[in-house]
Amino acid sequence: QSVLTQPPSVSAAPGQKVTISCSGNSSNIGNNSVSWYQQLPGTAPTLLIYENNKRPSGIPDRFSGSKSGTSATLGITGLQTGDEADYYCGTWDSSLSAGFFGGGTKLTVL
Amino acid sequence: QVQLVESGGGAVQPGRSLRLSCAASGFTFSSFGMYWVRQAPGKGLEWVAVIWFDGNKKYYADSLKGRFTISRDNSKNTLYLQMNSLRAEDTAVYFCARVGTGDYHADYWGQGTLVTVSS
Repeated sequence: QSVLTQPPSVSAAPGQKVTISCSGNSSNIGNNSVSWYQQLPGTAPTLLIYENNKRPSGIPDRFSGSKSGTSATLGITGLQTGDEADYYCGTWDSSLSAGFFGGGTKLTVL
Repeated sequence: QVQLVESGGGAVQPGRSLRLSCAASGFTFSSFGMYWVRQAPGKGLEWVAVIWFDGNKKYYADSLKGRFTISRDNSKNTLYLQMNSLRAEDTAVYFCARVGTGDYHADYWGQGTLVTVSS
């Protein structure tokens, strides 16, 4: 059981927008920045968003991140079938002195 | 370009030990912290451990303390994970990842090495 809570699955049609939430507490999200990772089937995770809302080079601006209090959100616009993947949030917990990932959210593009 | 290549995985009996390695290239290894992250079959990502750039600080997932040890050899650009008293529930793909600049995100990941613990 992770300290970060994500919905198990989300779905939307091609071209539409979807958001994925990540809920924590004051020791983790409330006190540290959040990163988001995409894991395509059978591959290693890749970094999508870091420091709550920054995109590494090469990540399209269809992907965005935000944080408010003890929750964070990943947004994906203009959905493509190639976006079908598992998405994970991650952060540090200052009280536990450990890193954590959310349980992951499976995105289906219908 | 940044490359992280894990090795050392395989099949091992419960109670035995295994040491994983992660060979780094394409960046100044001694300037970056490093993670181990694992993923059990069909499950999500689980953070395992982190080691600071100079090896002076190490933190572990609470459930693994005492059995797993993270270390590094900056002269060899290599990260290690010593796993002792292995259990069936340690069966997973183990990824090494680099700690990005600025906060605790993992900016580059290896392809992973599979560890199977079974009698």
